[in-house]
Amino acid sequence: QQPVQSPQAVILREGEDAVINCSSSKALYSVHWYRQKHGEAPVFLMILLKGGEQKGHEKISASFNEKKQQSSLYLTASQLSYSGTYFCGTESGNEKLTFGTGTRLTIIP
Amino acid sequence: GAVVSQHPSWVICKSGTSVKIECRSLDFQATTMFWYRQFPKQSLMLMATSNEGSKATYEQGVEKDKFLINHASLTLSTLTVTSAHPEDSSFYICSAISSSSYNSPLHFGNGTRLTVT
Repeated sequence: QQPVQSPQAVILREGEDAVINCSSSKALYSVHWYRQKHGEAPVFLMILLKGGEQKGHEKISASFNEKKQQSSLYLTASQLSYSGTYFCGTESGNEKLTFGTGTRLTIIP
Repeated sequence: GAVVSQHPSWVICKSGTSVKIECRSLDFQATTMFWYRQFPKQSLMLMATSNEGSKATYEQGVEKDKFLINHASLTLSTLTVTSAHPEDSSFYICSAISSSSYNSPLHFGNGTRLTVT
Protein backbone atom coordinates (compact mmCIF):
# COMPACT_ATOMS: atom_id res chain seq x y z
CA GLN A 1 0.00 0.00 0.00
CA GLN A 2 1.33 3.40 -0.96
CA PRO A 3 2.56 5.53 1.96
CA VAL A 4 0.95 8.94 2.29
CA GLN A 5 3.06 12.07 2.39
CA SER A 6 2.13 15.46 3.75
CA PRO A 7 2.06 18.20 2.79
CA GLN A 8 1.50 17.65 -0.93
CA ALA A 9 3.29 20.88 -1.72
CA VAL A 10 5.05 23.65 0.14
CA ILE A 11 6.61 26.95 -0.83
CA LEU A 12 9.38 28.39 1.31
CA ARG A 13 11.60 31.39 1.25
CA GLU A 14 15.29 30.67 1.22
CA GLY A 15 16.49 30.08 4.78
CA GLU A 16 13.18 28.78 6.13
CA ASP A 17 12.65 25.29 7.51
CA ALA A 18 10.38 22.52 6.27
CA VAL A 19 9.09 19.20 7.57
CA ILE A 20 7.79 16.47 5.28
CA ASN A 21 5.93 13.52 6.73
CA CYS A 22 5.51 9.99 5.46
CA SER A 23 2.95 7.63 6.98
CA SER A 24 2.28 3.95 6.48
CA SER A 25 -0.65 1.88 7.67
CA LYS A 26 1.67 -0.91 8.78
CA ALA A 27 5.08 -1.30 10.37
CA LEU A 28 8.00 -1.00 8.02
CA TYR A 29 11.41 -2.58 7.70
CA SER A 30 12.91 0.62 6.40
CA VAL A 31 12.15 4.01 4.99
CA HIS A 32 14.19 5.74 2.30
CA TRP A 33 14.11 9.38 1.31
CA TYR A 34 14.79 10.64 -2.22
CA ARG A 35 14.68 14.01 -3.96
CA GLN A 36 13.74 14.30 -7.61
CA LYS A 37 14.30 17.33 -9.82
CA HIS A 38 11.98 17.83 -12.77
CA GLY A 39 12.79 15.45 -15.61
CA GLU A 40 15.54 13.71 -13.67
CA ALA A 41 15.88 10.49 -11.73
CA PRO A 42 15.46 10.48 -7.95
CA VAL A 43 18.56 11.03 -5.87
CA PHE A 44 19.08 9.09 -2.65
CA LEU A 45 19.15 11.13 0.58
CA MET A 46 19.09 8.61 3.43
CA ILE A 47 17.75 5.35 4.85
CA LEU A 48 16.33 4.72 8.31
CA LEU A 49 16.10 1.21 9.62
CA LYS A 50 15.46 1.34 13.37
CA GLY A 51 12.48 2.59 15.33
CA GLY A 52 13.37 5.80 17.10
CA GLU A 53 16.28 6.44 14.77
CA GLN A 54 17.30 9.93 13.79
CA LYS A 55 20.03 10.78 11.35
CA GLY A 56 21.14 13.61 9.18
CA HIS A 57 23.70 15.14 6.91
CA GLU A 58 24.43 18.84 6.99
CA LYS A 59 21.04 20.55 7.07
CA ILE A 60 18.87 17.62 6.08
CA SER A 61 17.82 15.10 8.70
CA ALA A 62 15.15 12.48 9.20
CA SER A 63 13.49 10.47 11.93
CA PHE A 64 11.69 7.14 12.14
CA ASN A 65 9.14 6.73 14.91
CA GLU A 66 9.23 3.93 17.47
CA LYS A 67 6.38 2.03 15.83
CA LYS A 68 8.18 2.27 12.49
CA GLN A 69 5.08 3.55 10.72
CA GLN A 70 5.99 7.18 10.30
CA SER A 71 9.02 9.08 9.17
CA SER A 72 9.72 12.78 8.87
CA LEU A 73 12.28 14.63 6.78
CA TYR A 74 13.58 17.92 8.15
CA LEU A 75 15.10 20.59 5.94
CA THR A 76 16.64 23.45 7.88
CA ALA A 77 17.77 26.80 6.53
CA SER A 78 16.60 25.74 3.10
CA GLN A 79 18.64 26.54 0.03
CA LEU A 80 17.48 27.08 -3.54
CA SER A 81 19.03 23.73 -4.45
CA TYR A 82 16.58 21.97 -2.13
CA SER A 83 13.73 22.56 -4.58
CA GLY A 84 12.25 19.42 -6.05
CA THR A 85 9.83 16.67 -5.24
CA TYR A 86 10.61 14.57 -2.20
CA PHE A 87 9.55 10.95 -2.03
CA CYS A 88 9.71 8.53 0.81
CA GLY A 89 10.15 4.90 -0.14
CA THR A 90 9.04 2.19 2.23
CA GLU A 91 9.97 -1.45 2.45
CA SER A 92 7.82 -3.87 4.43
CA GLY A 93 9.59 -7.18 4.15
CA ASN A 94 9.04 -8.00 0.49
CA GLU A 95 12.30 -6.40 -0.66
CA LYS A 96 10.43 -3.95 -2.87
CA LEU A 97 10.38 -0.22 -2.38
CA THR A 98 7.00 1.49 -2.56
CA PHE A 99 7.20 5.21 -3.11
CA GLY A 100 5.00 7.71 -1.32
CA THR A 101 2.68 10.24 -2.88
CA GLY A 102 5.38 12.89 -3.04
CA THR A 103 5.85 16.42 -1.68
CA ARG A 104 6.71 19.23 -4.05
CA LEU A 105 9.02 21.75 -2.43
CA THR A 106 9.62 25.14 -4.00
CA ILE A 107 12.24 27.47 -2.55
CA ILE A 108 12.05 31.11 -3.56
CA PRO A 109 14.79 33.69 -3.08
CA GLY B 1 30.56 4.52 -7.32
CA ALA B 2 27.19 2.80 -7.89
CA VAL B 3 26.46 4.29 -11.30
CA VAL B 4 23.47 3.13 -13.32
CA SER B 5 23.30 4.06 -16.97
CA GLN B 6 20.00 4.09 -18.83
CA HIS B 7 19.56 4.51 -22.57
CA PRO B 8 18.06 6.15 -24.45
CA SER B 9 17.25 9.32 -22.52
CA TRP B 10 14.25 9.91 -24.71
CA VAL B 11 12.51 8.24 -27.60
CA ILE B 12 9.62 9.12 -29.86
CA CYS B 13 7.97 6.25 -31.67
CA LYS B 14 4.88 5.59 -33.71
CA SER B 15 1.93 3.71 -32.33
CA GLY B 16 2.26 -0.03 -32.86
CA THR B 17 6.04 -0.16 -32.82
CA SER B 18 8.28 -1.57 -30.09
CA VAL B 19 10.87 0.27 -28.05
CA LYS B 20 13.76 -1.18 -26.06
CA ILE B 21 15.24 0.57 -23.04
CA GLU B 22 18.56 -0.54 -21.55
CA CYS B 23 19.69 -0.29 -17.96
CA ARG B 24 23.29 -1.01 -17.03
CA SER B 25 25.09 -1.02 -13.72
CA LEU B 26 28.53 0.32 -14.60
CA ASP B 27 30.62 -0.32 -11.51
CA PHE B 28 28.79 -2.99 -9.53
CA GLN B 29 26.92 -6.21 -10.06
CA ALA B 30 23.19 -5.72 -9.74
CA THR B 31 21.50 -8.77 -8.29
CA THR B 32 18.15 -7.08 -8.70
CA MET B 33 16.89 -4.38 -10.99
CA PHE B 34 13.58 -2.59 -10.74
CA TRP B 35 11.59 -0.87 -13.45
CA TYR B 36 9.38 2.07 -12.54
CA ARG B 37 6.97 4.19 -14.53
CA GLN B 38 6.15 7.76 -13.65
CA PHE B 39 3.37 9.85 -15.14
CA PRO B 40 3.57 13.66 -14.91
CA LYS B 41 3.27 14.99 -11.37
CA GLN B 42 2.79 11.50 -9.98
CA SER B 43 4.84 9.13 -7.91
CA LEU B 44 7.05 6.33 -9.19
CA MET B 45 5.07 3.14 -9.65
CA LEU B 46 6.90 -0.15 -9.62
CA MET B 47 6.25 -2.16 -12.77
CA ALA B 48 8.43 -5.19 -12.27
CA THR B 49 11.39 -6.67 -10.44
CA SER B 50 14.02 -8.57 -12.36
CA ASN B 51 16.71 -10.86 -11.08
CA GLU B 52 19.59 -12.02 -13.21
CA GLY B 53 18.87 -15.28 -14.97
CA SER B 54 15.26 -15.61 -13.91
CA LYS B 55 11.88 -14.39 -15.05
CA ALA B 56 10.78 -10.95 -13.95
CA THR B 57 8.10 -10.52 -11.32
CA TYR B 58 5.42 -8.12 -12.47
CA GLU B 59 3.24 -5.94 -10.29
CA GLN B 60 -0.51 -6.33 -10.39
CA GLY B 61 -1.99 -4.66 -13.43
CA VAL B 62 1.22 -4.64 -15.49
CA GLU B 63 0.97 -6.72 -18.65
CA LYS B 64 3.99 -8.99 -18.87
CA ASP B 65 3.44 -9.64 -22.57
CA LYS B 66 3.46 -5.93 -23.30
CA PHE B 67 6.40 -4.96 -21.10
CA LEU B 68 9.09 -7.56 -21.75
CA ILE B 69 11.95 -7.58 -19.29
CA ASN B 70 15.20 -9.41 -19.79
CA HIS B 71 17.96 -9.52 -17.18
CA ALA B 72 20.59 -11.46 -19.05
CA SER B 73 23.57 -10.54 -16.92
CA LEU B 74 24.44 -9.00 -13.57
CA THR B 75 24.99 -5.65 -15.23
CA LEU B 76 22.24 -5.39 -17.85
CA SER B 77 18.47 -5.39 -17.83
CA THR B 78 16.26 -4.37 -20.73
CA LEU B 79 12.64 -3.29 -20.91
CA THR B 80 10.87 -3.63 -24.25
CA VAL B 81 7.56 -1.88 -24.69
CA THR B 82 5.82 -3.88 -27.39
CA SER B 83 3.12 -2.51 -29.67
CA ALA B 84 3.35 0.86 -27.97
CA HIS B 85 0.29 3.08 -27.75
CA PRO B 86 -0.05 6.75 -26.79
CA GLU B 87 -1.17 5.78 -23.27
CA ASP B 88 2.25 4.13 -22.78
CA SER B 89 3.88 7.55 -23.04
CA SER B 90 5.60 8.07 -19.72
CA PHE B 91 8.91 8.42 -17.91
CA TYR B 92 10.47 4.99 -17.38
CA ILE B 93 13.18 4.68 -14.75
CA CYS B 94 15.29 1.69 -13.83
CA SER B 95 17.08 1.16 -10.57
CA ALA B 96 19.49 -1.43 -9.28
CA ILE B 97 20.73 -2.84 -6.02
CA SER B 98 23.55 -5.18 -5.18
CA SER B 99 22.01 -6.70 -2.07
CA SER B 100 18.75 -6.80 -0.10
CA SER B 101 16.80 -3.63 -0.74
CA TYR B 102 15.72 -2.78 2.76
CA ASN B 103 19.17 -1.72 3.93
CA SER B 104 20.62 -0.51 0.64
CA PRO B 105 19.74 2.57 -1.37
CA LEU B 106 18.37 2.25 -4.86
CA HIS B 107 20.67 3.50 -7.57
CA PHE B 108 18.63 5.02 -10.38
CA GLY B 109 19.29 5.43 -14.04
CA ASN B 110 18.55 8.85 -15.52
CA GLY B 111 15.25 7.70 -16.95
CA THR B 112 13.80 7.39 -20.44
CA ARG B 113 11.02 9.65 -21.62
CA LEU B 114 8.87 7.70 -24.06
CA THR B 115 6.47 9.52 -26.36
CA VAL B 116 4.20 7.43 -28.56
CA THR B 117 2.57 9.32 -31.41
